[in-house]
Amino acid sequence: NAGVTQTPKFQVLKTGQSMTLQCAQDMNHNSMYWYRQDPGMGLRLIYYSASEGTTDKGEVPNGYNVSRLNKREFSLRLESAAPSQTSVYFCASKSAADYNQPQHFGDGTRLSIL
Amino acid sequence: DAKTTQPPSMDCAEGRAANLPCNHSTISGNEYVYWYRQIHSQGPQYIIHGLKNNETNEMASLIITEDRKSSTLILPHATLRDTAVYYCIVRFDNYGQNFVFGPGTRLSVLP
Repeated sequence: NAGVTQTPKFQVLKTGQSMTLQCAQDMNHNSMYWYRQDPGMGLRLIYYSASEGTTDKGEVPNGYNVSRLNKREFSLRLESAAPSQTSVYFCASKSAADYNQPQHFGDGTRLSIL
Repeated sequence: DAKTTQPPSMDCAEGRAANLPCNHSTISGNEYVYWYRQIHSQGPQYIIHGLKNNETNEMASLIITEDRKSSTLILPHATLRDTAVYYCIVRFDNYGQNFVFGPGTRLSVLP
């Protein structure tokens, strides 16, 4: 049981390049999330998917797109990477059985934009 | 901004219980108390959560005061691998919310 798996773990991009961060969970969770964490700060929500087939913007969606490919997978795409998007990206998932089930996080993707 | 107050750091001897306090005097009636930890370079790891009753799982125990204004996370037999930053978070986990971490408590388990 791997939980939440993120790939890649590290990536360096040049400004203007595009890439997709992958996230998969094996806990049969309905809800999935993408956050970014900058040094000394909490996690800021980029996008979330309350259930398969739906996605919604969080606080900082600009410059990103997401795809809820199926119940297991939720990907985050940077269409034209900018240095301001240098960050650690975390994917999380949660059972939708009730609001207060905890979110479970992956180990993150460390992304540097040069 | 974080709704919780935690000591910035604590030490604990290996094998002893680690008791991590958290104040959340403005907690509202539907907000749960969650504890996560983050070991350097890893993602936040869920530990335990509760509303008003004490909770226990395989990792830890959570003691919430009757007025719900504070709580304590107890790691019964701390190991070196428990060295991490521990975050106490209060929230009603509706969709679309950021995950607000305060500075947390840096627990150092000493041999």
